[in-house]
Amino acid sequence: DAKTTQPPSMDCAEGRAANLPCNHSTISGNEYVYWYRQIHSQGPQYIIHGLKNNETNEMASLIITEDRKSSTLILPHATLRDTAVYYCIVRVATGRSARQLTFGSGTQLTVLP
Amino acid sequence: NAGVTQTPKFQVLKTGQSMTLQCAQDMNHEYMSWYRQDPGMGLRLIHYSVGAGITDQGEVPNGYNVSRSTTEDFPLRLLSAAPSQTSVYFCASISATDYGYTFGSGTRLTVV
Repeated sequence: DAKTTQPPSMDCAEGRAANLPCNHSTISGNEYVYWYRQIHSQGPQYIIHGLKNNETNEMASLIITEDRKSSTLILPHATLRDTAVYYCIVRVATGRSARQLTFGSGTQLTVLP
Repeated sequence: NAGVTQTPKFQVLKTGQSMTLQCAQDMNHEYMSWYRQDPGMGLRLIHYSVGAGITDQGEVPNGYNVSRSTTEDFPLRLLSAAPSQTSVYFCASISATDYGYTFGSGTRLTVV
C-alpha cells in the first residue's frame, strides 16, 4: 500500500474553509484515496473517497492532483464539531485487501471559535 | 437502524483473565473487522472477516481469537489478558458494494 504523509496538526477559524493536505507519492494506478475522521474517543467516520477526479459530497470535497501524488480534503465551512483527527488512507477499491484499512497518525484539526 | 453495536463499553480485567468483546451489526454487511487504538496512535487491524465462517489475521493478531458464525456477529476473544492489551477496541463493518466502513463506538479495555 502507498504510504501517506499528513501534517500532525492544523488550526482553522470557525466558518472558514479547512484544507487538509495529504501526500501519497507512491500511489498506484488502482489505488483510491479515502478520508476518515475520528472525533475524540469515537469510532472513525468515513468522509469521502476518490480515484483521480475531484469529488464532493455533503460533508466535504476531495481534490486530487493530476499526477495523483497528493490530495486535499476541504471542509468548506468548518464548525467546532469538525474538530477531529483526519486520516488519509490509500487503498485498492476491490478485493480482499481493500477491506484492510491502514491508519497512520492523521492530522489533528482544531477549529477555533 | 442501530449500525454497529459494541459491548461492553468499558472493562477492567486482571492479567491472565479471558473475556469476549462483542460486536454486532444489523446492516447485513459481509465484511467485519476488529481494530485496536493505543493512546495517541492510529488504529491497527487485529482480525477481519469477509463473510460467515471466514476469518483472517490482520497486523496485530497475537493474543486474540475471532470467529464468525453468523453475518451479524463478530466476537473478539482475549485468551489471557496482558497489560499490553490495554487499549480501545473498535469493530467495523462494510458491505461488498460500499466504500466507507461503519465503526462502532468502541470498548475501552484496561488490563491491570
